[in-house]
Amino acid sequence: AQSVTQPDIHITVSEGASLELRCNYSYGATPYLFWYVQSPGQGLQLLLKYFSGDTLVQGIKGFEAEFKRSQSSFNLRKPSVHWSDAAEYFCAVGLGMDSSYKLIFGSGTRLLVRP
Amino acid sequence: EAGVTQFPSHSVIEKGQTVTLRCDPISGHDNLYWYRRVMGKEIKFLLHFVKESKQDESGMPNNRFLAERTGGTYSTLKVQPAELEDSGVYFCASSQVLSTDTQYFGPGTRLTVL
Repeated sequence: AQSVTQPDIHITVSEGASLELRCNYSYGATPYLFWYVQSPGQGLQLLLKYFSGDTLVQGIKGFEAEFKRSQSSFNLRKPSVHWSDAAEYFCAVGLGMDSSYKLIFGSGTRLLVRP
Repeated sequence: EAGVTQFPSHSVIEKGQTVTLRCDPISGHDNLYWYRRVMGKEIKFLLHFVKESKQDESGMPNNRFLAERTGGTYSTLKVQPAELEDSGVYFCASSQVLSTDTQYFGPGTRLTVL
């Protein structure tokens, strides 16, 4: 069955430090890949997405992610974390086509930022 | 442009009661989705509307859940009767014409069943 794994439930980094959030997926073909962020009291906001082409994808707020087919991974990175990045991050896979399309989410990684 | 809105933001009900959640998608979006996150676990798909038609309801937990989308605009999700395990955050999302277009999420409704 298709699945998305985010192995880190919590991650704490110091402000200004680099960040990498891990995401692995299980799917036969190359799926559509997404990273969403949920800040406290907010809905899910799309950070970036990968459909095809360049495997390094740039997103909003200085985030980027790299699709590695050989590792079935789509890790999210940011070179320098800001206190406002504290939130919960979700990796997702888009599966299916028009008639039956859905997002399959990982369990999320909560990011804490130390001042 | 207004985003996806959901009402109410929070709902606390007792077991056996009925609750109706509402979602207003982004204007012009044909696709509307409901998802649910229970007890800090992963967000799970419930169902997918294309305009007023249910395209995929494979994620609906049981027949206590009923979703409608009147006239292809807003959608409601009714839980009747509610059980303790229905507690969680219910998210609505919408996307444009193609279902594979980016899904934009609402803030969610936090449902607590006591």
